[in-house]
Amino acid sequence: SQQGEEDPQALSIQEGENATMNCSYKTSINNLQWYRQNSGRGLVHLILIRSNEREKHSGRLRVTLDTSKKSSSLLITASRAADTASYFCATDAYNNAGNMLTFGGGTRLMVKP
Amino acid sequence: DTAVSQTPKYLVTQMGNDKSIKCEQNLGHDTMYWYKQDSKKFLKIMFSYNNKELIINETVPNRFSPKSPDKAHLNLHINSLELGDSAVYFCASSYRDSGGSYTFGSGTRLTVV
Repeated sequence: SQQGEEDPQALSIQEGENATMNCSYKTSINNLQWYRQNSGRGLVHLILIRSNEREKHSGRLRVTLDTSKKSSSLLITASRAADTASYFCATDAYNNAGNMLTFGGGTRLMVKP
Repeated sequence: DTAVSQTPKYLVTQMGNDKSIKCEQNLGHDTMYWYKQDSKKFLKIMFSYNNKELIINETVPNRFSPKSPDKAHLNLHINSLELGDSAVYFCASSYRDSGGSYTFGSGTRLTVV
């Protein structure tokens, strides 16, 4: 089963605009991670936010985490055509077998030049 | 140097055949994983291996068997291929107990005809 549900499934914006993607999950987590996947390529790690953190920044990326609502958001500011990709949230939940990343369905972002 | 490399990149084969996908990582990670991404882009974990020990197996048919000759390699062997096995298979690696990010390979697109 999918741990994370992402919203929206697809997003189309103009270059220079901000893009916001949301992720909801179901169980307690150790951390939440965001990955990017360009068409036909593998996943690239973008940013990790731990369960005791509420906000994190990395360049044009801003991630928030609300553990009470079991939700996270990824904001890409001043988007560029090169940001066109699919973005996935993944939750890390520890069990006695070690950490395990479970992915959401992804948001397909298109940034028009 | 490619951190996680998998071969082949594309694999087209007939139903009933047996095939293998190879994965190697040079990051010194202690755990490796196989994920399956379906046509709707959902990523589902199949296996993880830590120190040659299988620690996760998520309801994967026993036609799929991971084989790890050492901690830098995790190969995926598939027997009696079926049409429904067509997907993109991703290898990944991480440090098991760090709660950190995964590094993904670029994927193997398997098409069963």
